[in-house]
Amino acid sequence: KAGVTQTPRYLIKTRGQQVTLSCSPISGHRSVSWYQQTPGQGLQFLFEYFSETQRNKGNFPGRFSGRQFSNSRSEMNVSTLELGDSALYLCASSFTDLSSYNEQFFGPGTRLTVL
Amino acid sequence: AQSVAQPEDQVNVAEGNPLTVKCTYSVSGNPYLFWYVQYPNRGLQFLLKYITGDNLVKGSYGFEAEFNKSQTSFHLKKPSALVSDSALYFCAVRDVYSSASKIIFGSGTRLSIRP
Repeated sequence: KAGVTQTPRYLIKTRGQQVTLSCSPISGHRSVSWYQQTPGQGLQFLFEYFSETQRNKGNFPGRFSGRQFSNSRSEMNVSTLELGDSALYLCASSFTDLSSYNEQFFGPGTRLTVL
Repeated sequence: AQSVAQPEDQVNVAEGNPLTVKCTYSVSGNPYLFWYVQYPNRGLQFLLKYITGDNLVKGSYGFEAEFNKSQTSFHLKKPSALVSDSALYFCAVRDVYSSASKIIFGSGTRLSIRP
């Protein structure tokens, strides 16, 4: 069974631009969560989507948004990029939503650099 | 509110010696607890989880963790460390009875195993 895939793996953008990251979960998984990982802030929860509905959202500004499609693939969008948005963005999928005890399976991440 | 703490930023152990990576948590109800490992330039990989039952949980790569309810801890252990265990380790918790489907990750502990 293929793992979680994220595209692109690396991205360089300039301030003010917007970016869209993509995540394909493990086949059969309906929950997709997004995390931002930085050396200073660690791993921070962005949001979770389950069956095309946003189930929960972390403490990030409205510039960060996402969606999930009927095939469970998910996209995350960041508008008006700031230097502080430079981070590793991780996607994780799970068979059920985060209210269960099922573990998450993480993709390799997208390394975003904002210049 | 739920929280998780990893009090050590770094743990250094000689190969062949036992290792412990510490984790303490705070939830209002009962916890689901997880350990994940992250190798360089990779996403997180699931190691083990505690749901209920036996306090000693066995996981991947010879790791185990002991759930201690009175001390609200879930320390990760391995009897004999390998150089290949060198990585970043994350503890995570979610409150079983919380209506918010969110998992909180600790700040991570870098484990370094010297030959």
